[in-house]
Amino acid sequence: NAGVTQTPKFQVLKTGQSMTLQCAQDMNHEYMSWYRQDPGMGLRLIHYSVGAGITDQGEVPNGYNVSRSTTEDFPLRLLSAAPSQTSVYFCASTSPGGTQYFGPGTRLLVL
Amino acid sequence: DAKTTQPPSMDCAEGRAANLPCNHSTISGNEYVYWYRQIHSQGPQYIIHGLKNNETNEMASLIITEDRKSSTLILPHATLRDTAVYYCIVNPGTYKYIFGTGTRLKVLA
Repeated sequence: NAGVTQTPKFQVLKTGQSMTLQCAQDMNHEYMSWYRQDPGMGLRLIHYSVGAGITDQGEVPNGYNVSRSTTEDFPLRLLSAAPSQTSVYFCASTSPGGTQYFGPGTRLLVL
Repeated sequence: DAKTTQPPSMDCAEGRAANLPCNHSTISGNEYVYWYRQIHSQGPQYIIHGLKNNETNEMASLIITEDRKSSTLILPHATLRDTAVYYCIVNPGTYKYIFGTGTRLKVLA
């Protein structure tokens, strides 16, 4: 039982490049979400999904796309990276009881 | 979701109890109080949650006031490894968590 896994751990992008952050969970949770955390700040919700085929926007969705084709995977796509998207990205999976389990994070630097 | 207010930082001596307060004066009747902590830049870790009654698990105790407008997380015997940022979140189970900036707890040797 690996819990929530994220890849890559670190990434450097140039402005305008696109990339996909991967997230997978093996707990069969329906609800998954993506957060970003800027230095000294709390986590902010980007997008979330309540099940395969269903996604919705959080607080800060601009510049990001998500899809949920399976229960296990919830990738986050940066369409055209900007320096303002430099951040640490966390994926989380939520149990039916409401407890969130977080991945180790992806540290992204956009130059 | 209800907003929460936490002190930005606290110190605690190693071996002593750490009492972390949280105000959530606009909490609704169906909203739970959750506590998470984040050590360094790792992903947040669930600690405990409750609705009305006080709760205890192997990590901590949660004391919720009778009017539910505030709560306290208690780490009974703080260790250096408990140094972290602690987040108090209220949520009705919609899973759209709103994180504040939390309390940075420093456990002193």
